[in-house]
Amino acid sequence: DVKVTQSSRYLVKRTGEKVFLECVQDMDHENMFWYRQDPGLGLRLIYFSYDVKMKEKGDIPEGYSVSREKKERFSLILESASTNQTSMYLCASSLRPGLNTGELFFGEGSRLTVL
Amino acid sequence: DAKTTQPPSMDCAEGRAANLPCNHSTISGNEYVYWYRQIHSQGPQYIIHGLKNNETNEMASLIITEDRKSSTLILPHATLRDTAVYYCSRKSGSARQLTFGSGTQLTVLP
Repeated sequence: DVKVTQSSRYLVKRTGEKVFLECVQDMDHENMFWYRQDPGLGLRLIYFSYDVKMKEKGDIPEGYSVSREKKERFSLILESASTNQTSMYLCASSLRPGLNTGELFFGEGSRLTVL
Repeated sequence: DAKTTQPPSMDCAEGRAANLPCNHSTISGNEYVYWYRQIHSQGPQYIIHGLKNNETNEMASLIITEDRKSSTLILPHATLRDTAVYYCSRKSGSARQLTFGSGTQLTVLP
């Protein structure tokens, strides 16, 4: 079974702090994604990566950056956390297009609270 | 123009079929329709996807209209454990990213 593991289920940070959210997948997937989820807004794509050191902006990249130094690991970085970044963050991975159904495998989520 | 639109909430009696609609009137010819569900406190889980033909697997059935502008996810015998948020989304075969709508909160009632 594919496993996508997010490093922290719950984090509490202060405004202005630098925050790292880590995600690791164990199925050699090329694609990795970061979404945030807010009530009434569903899941919104922040960034994704289709290869090591490659990244593309999603729908709401402002205030975030990402890092993919190894294929299995994709980090989301909040350089200076703000209260409006309080949210549930979900990491996902998938094989590259054409290899399978295109199914995304999600982690359990990281709930971040910024005070 | 929203990529997909779904009703925000629906109820269904336990043991009955749950029919969840999705509108994707601007879908392109090469875009698949995907359905995921998210049970509280868990990450979303893939259910099913389709292009033109109706599809069925062990979890659900997907009915896509002939014009492909809408689809319906059918849970044939809903159980309490099917209470979740159901997301309809669309993606071309070559695209990497998947965009989700707001989803439908399905509540299965005893």
